[in-house]
Amino acid sequence: DAKTTQPPSMDCAEGRAANLPCNHSTISGNEYVYWYRQIHSQGPQYIIHGLKNNETNEMASLIITEDRKSSTLILPHATLRDTAVYYCIVRVGHGGATNKLIFGTGTLLAVQP
Amino acid sequence: EADIYQTPRYLVIGTGKKITLECSQTMGHDKMYWYQQDPGMELHLIHYSYGVNSTEKGDLSSESTVSRIRTEHFPLTLESARPSHTSQYLCASRITGEGEKLFFGSGTQLSVL
Repeated sequence: DAKTTQPPSMDCAEGRAANLPCNHSTISGNEYVYWYRQIHSQGPQYIIHGLKNNETNEMASLIITEDRKSSTLILPHATLRDTAVYYCIVRVGHGGATNKLIFGTGTLLAVQP
Repeated sequence: EADIYQTPRYLVIGTGKKITLECSQTMGHDKMYWYQQDPGMELHLIHYSYGVNSTEKGDLSSESTVSRIRTEHFPLTLESARPSHTSQYLCASRITGEGEKLFFGSGTQLSVL
C-alpha cells in the first residue's frame, strides 16, 4: 500500500474551515484514499473516501489533486467536538486480497474556542 | 451509530490470569478485526477474520488468540496476562463490497498489574 505523510498537528479556530493535508506521492491508479478520525479514548470513525473525484458527505469534503499525489480533508465549520487525530490511509481497491487498513500516526487537529 | 460492542470497557487484572475480551456486532458484517493501540501510538492489527471459522494473524505479533464461531462474535483471549499486555484493544468490522469502511467499537482498556 502507498505510504502517506501527514503533519503531526494542526490548530483551527472554532467555526472556521479545517483543511487537513495528506501526501501520497507513490499512490497507484487503483488505490483509494480513506480518512478516519479518532477522538480521545474512542475507536476510530470512518469519515470519507475517494479514488480520483472530489467527494462530499455530511461530515466532510475530500479534495484529491489531479495527479492523485495528495489530498485534503475539509471540515467546513470546525467545532470543539472535531478535536481528534485524523488518519489518511491509502488502500488498494475494494475488498482486496489482504483486506487490511494500516493506520499511521495521523494529524492531531486541535480546534480552539 | 455503529452497532459493535466491546466489553468490558476497562479491565484491571493480575499477572497470570486468563482473560477474554468480548466483541459483538449486530450488522451482519462478515469481516472482523482486532487492533492494539498504546497511548499516543499507532493502531496495530493483531488478528482478523474473513468469516465464520476463519482467523488470521495480523501484522503485529500477539500472544492472544481469537475465535469466530458465530458471525456476530469475535472474542480475543489471553491465556496468561502479563504487564506487557497492558494496552487498548479495539475491535472493528466491515462488510464485503463496501470497501474499507470499518466500524469500530469503543475499545477495552486493559491494565495488567
